[in-house]
Amino acid sequence: DAKTTQPNSMESNEEEPVHLPCNHSTISGTDYIHWYRQLPSQGPEYVIHGLTSNVNNRMASLAIAEDRKSSTLILHRATLRDAAVYYCIPRMGGPRETSGSRLTFGEGTQLTVNP
Amino acid sequence: DVKVTQSSRYLVKRTGEKVFLECVQDMDHENMFWYRQDPGLGLRLIYFSYDVKMKEKGDIPEGYSVSREKKERFSLILESASTNQTSMYLCASNPTGTGATLLHFGNGTRLTVT
Repeated sequence: DAKTTQPNSMESNEEEPVHLPCNHSTISGTDYIHWYRQLPSQGPEYVIHGLTSNVNNRMASLAIAEDRKSSTLILHRATLRDAAVYYCIPRMGGPRETSGSRLTFGEGTQLTVNP
Repeated sequence: DVKVTQSSRYLVKRTGEKVFLECVQDMDHENMFWYRQDPGLGLRLIYFSYDVKMKEKGDIPEGYSVSREKKERFSLILESASTNQTSMYLCASNPTGTGATLLHFGNGTRLTVT
């Protein structure tokens, strides 16, 4: 599995954008980049994933560097409910890849959102 | 709404006891997983299953076994609980063909072994 580096913690103010970085310099050409988050006292939840192009969904945007060695999860307007640990996980996981379900979660980034 | 339900939120067991952690999903997912989560170590995969009666070892299977007799249920078994198995246990599922995407997690069982 590709190794990832994420800041241990970040802080943001409510209603401001948040950019959560992730370095994955050993990513392979077939690894998708997955982001999950874990709210307090809950299991992780899926946020977004991408391969090469930037991706948007209702929760967040994912910006992937051209060389794919890093990516950034963007929360456009942070809310208090976005306070969580965010995990960046490069892993094979396209539609035809079943073994890609075997994700390895590191320590992630603890995001604090201030009112 | 998609649901993964773990039978207990908190569990306290004694050393040497046989412990069963149950997980049920209502989404007809083929894949199910058991992780444990410990401070400083993140989530580590214990066992997973791609289908009924099928199981594969994850990264830390020692001291654990699993059972998948029905598609919706995946049980984690601690044959003889030890204090180093005190942890948060998380069950997850997703359908075949989604790879690493759309894993649905339960809210966890916090197991304390005394």
